[in-house]
Amino acid sequence: AQTVTQSQPEMSVQEAETVTLSCTYDTSESDYYLFWYKQPPSRQMILVIRQEAYKQQNATENRFSVNFQKAAKSFSLKISDSQLGDAAMYFCAYRAGTYKYIFGTGTRLKVLA
Amino acid sequence: GAVVSQHPSWVICKSGTSVKIECRSLDFQATTMFWYRQFPKQSLMLMATSNEGSKATYEQGVEKDKFLINHASLTLSTLTVTSAHPEDSSFYICSARDSSGVEQFFGPGTRLTVL
Repeated sequence: AQTVTQSQPEMSVQEAETVTLSCTYDTSESDYYLFWYKQPPSRQMILVIRQEAYKQQNATENRFSVNFQKAAKSFSLKISDSQLGDAAMYFCAYRAGTYKYIFGTGTRLKVLA
Repeated sequence: GAVVSQHPSWVICKSGTSVKIECRSLDFQATTMFWYRQFPKQSLMLMATSNEGSKATYEQGVEKDKFLINHASLTLSTLTVTSAHPEDSSFYICSARDSSGVEQFFGPGTRLTVL
């Protein structure tokens, strides 16, 4: 069975600094997608970034980038130039052929002014 | 962008009553909708997958007779919590997948409190 693990329940970063959130997963599939979602206090799930497993190039979206290591089954999120608005819960998610998402347990990110 | 709405955003009900939550895709046709449950400070747990015009597929441990799901059209799915009890109090989130199927689009969630 596929699993997603986020080993950091909480992380803190100083405003304007860089922080990396970790995610590992387990799967026997070769074709899948990985996502990072942000959940602010409003509880609305917001897609931050996605990565297709067949793409070797790491995805980037402005200040957000991933380090995708397929062989190691690792998918970390790097947030550069952290802003106060980045404070939220961050969930790593895995999706294979069934279209179902499997979410990690989440990492609460605090941004310090 | 793809927008998914949920109604109501919050509901309080008495123990033993039934509550219906609606999930609508506003600007696209949702081939599949998903229902999640999220307890405080926890992750999203998939409850069921709902395909338009067919019976929902429930995850292991989810009572299908208690959580009734109807997906009558390509833009609407409903979750009915029957005979609600305080332990059913939670945050319920729906999501929808369009025909491209790559990602899910999430609704804003419904907070259910059962007294």
